[in-house]
Amino acid sequence: KAGVTQTPRYLIKTRGQQVTLSCSPISGHRSVSWYQQTPGQGLQFLFEYFSETQRNKGNFPGRFSGRQFSNSRSEMNVSTLELGDSALYLCASSLTPSNQPQHFGDGTRLSIL
Amino acid sequence: QQQVKQSPQSLIVQKGGISIINCAYENTAFDYFPWYQQFPGKGPALLIAIRPDVSEKKEGRFTISFNKSAKQFSLHIMDSQPGDSATYFCAAMSETSGSRLTFGEGTQLTVNP
Repeated sequence: KAGVTQTPRYLIKTRGQQVTLSCSPISGHRSVSWYQQTPGQGLQFLFEYFSETQRNKGNFPGRFSGRQFSNSRSEMNVSTLELGDSALYLCASSLTPSNQPQHFGDGTRLSIL
Repeated sequence: QQQVKQSPQSLIVQKGGISIINCAYENTAFDYFPWYQQFPGKGPALLIAIRPDVSEKKEGRFTISFNKSAKQFSLHIMDSQPGDSATYFCAAMSETSGSRLTFGEGTQLTVNP
């Protein structure tokens, strides 16, 4: 069974640009969550999607958004990129929000120049 | 009230020794406590998890001890091996509130041969 797949693995952008990251959950998993990992702030929750609906949102500005498709695949978008957005963005999936555990992908490393 | 405090920040253990990592939480609504292991360039991988109805859970060389009254839980790695050298994260969540994991700051474990 394939794990959580995130694409691309690496991205380099400049300030002011926007970026879209993709996540394919484990087959059969319908809940997808996104996390940001930085050396200074650690692992922080961004948002959670289930049945194409955002159920939870972390304390991030509106420049961070996401969506989920009918096949449970998810995308997150960051607009007007800032230097501080440089991070590892991780996606995790679970069967449903209340049906743990969550399994993580290997992330997308986003670097802002 | 959403914080999870983890210690120590780093830990050096000799091969064959016991590694102990501690976490404390504040939110009494938390009811699911997983531990994740992360290697460089990889996403966090679930090691073991516990719910508050038990005080201890063991899987192979890994044991979680849980103290509900003290709001603390710990990971014990028995017979530590150089291959266990990684960063370990404790986490907590309330399953009724969706899949939002709150992570500790992480512990970098080094097991010397």
